[in-house]
Amino acid sequence: LAKTTQPISMDSYEGQEVNITCSHNNIATNDYITWYQQFPSQGPRFIIQGYKTKVTNEVASLFIPADRKSSTLSLPRVSLSDTAVYYCLVPTGANNLFFGTGTRLTVIP
Amino acid sequence: DTGVSQNPRHKITKRGQNVTFRCDPISEHNRLYWYRQTLGQGPEFLTYFQNEAQLEKSRLLSDRFSAERPKGSFSTLEIQRTEQGDSAMYLCASSLVVSEAFFGQGTRLTVV
Repeated sequence: LAKTTQPISMDSYEGQEVNITCSHNNIATNDYITWYQQFPSQGPRFIIQGYKTKVTNEVASLFIPADRKSSTLSLPRVSLSDTAVYYCLVPTGANNLFFGTGTRLTVIP
Repeated sequence: DTGVSQNPRHKITKRGQNVTFRCDPISEHNRLYWYRQTLGQGPEFLTYFQNEAQLEKSRLLSDRFSAERPKGSFSTLEIQRTEQGDSAMYLCASSLVVSEAFFGQGTRLTVV
């Protein structure tokens, strides 16, 4: 499993764009990068996955540079309901997901 | 609701008692996982089933823990002789591919 490193916490005001960067220096050629979101007292929820360049869905965008040693989850115009823990994972090749401690995002009114 | 269902949502038990949790995965998912989560930490992998076969177990899964998935459908996680350190949220997830897992809302266990 590729080890990931991400900030422990971030604060943002409502309406701002939030970028959470994750480093995964030993990512393998076949590995994908996956992000999950977890609200208090709920299980994690898959939000986005990518291999290279940019992926966008209705929740977020994922930017992956050419060397793939890092990735950035971008949340546009966050609201209070985006307050959650965000996990960066590189799961391919394993039979389980290693979550780490994630990034605790707090959105401030 | 066709998501992953876990029962009970909450369980309070006395130390030394046995407890059993149930997970009903999304019906077409052949992969099923159990995780444990304590406050401030990310979920920790416990065990993985592909259909009815238990293919992987974490070292976290001591001899007091046992999981089954008869007929490759629902799964149960039993903890025998519970200890206070077993207090945690127990999460079940199912998937078709490992990277996109669907989690239930978990069972919160409190051992008193």
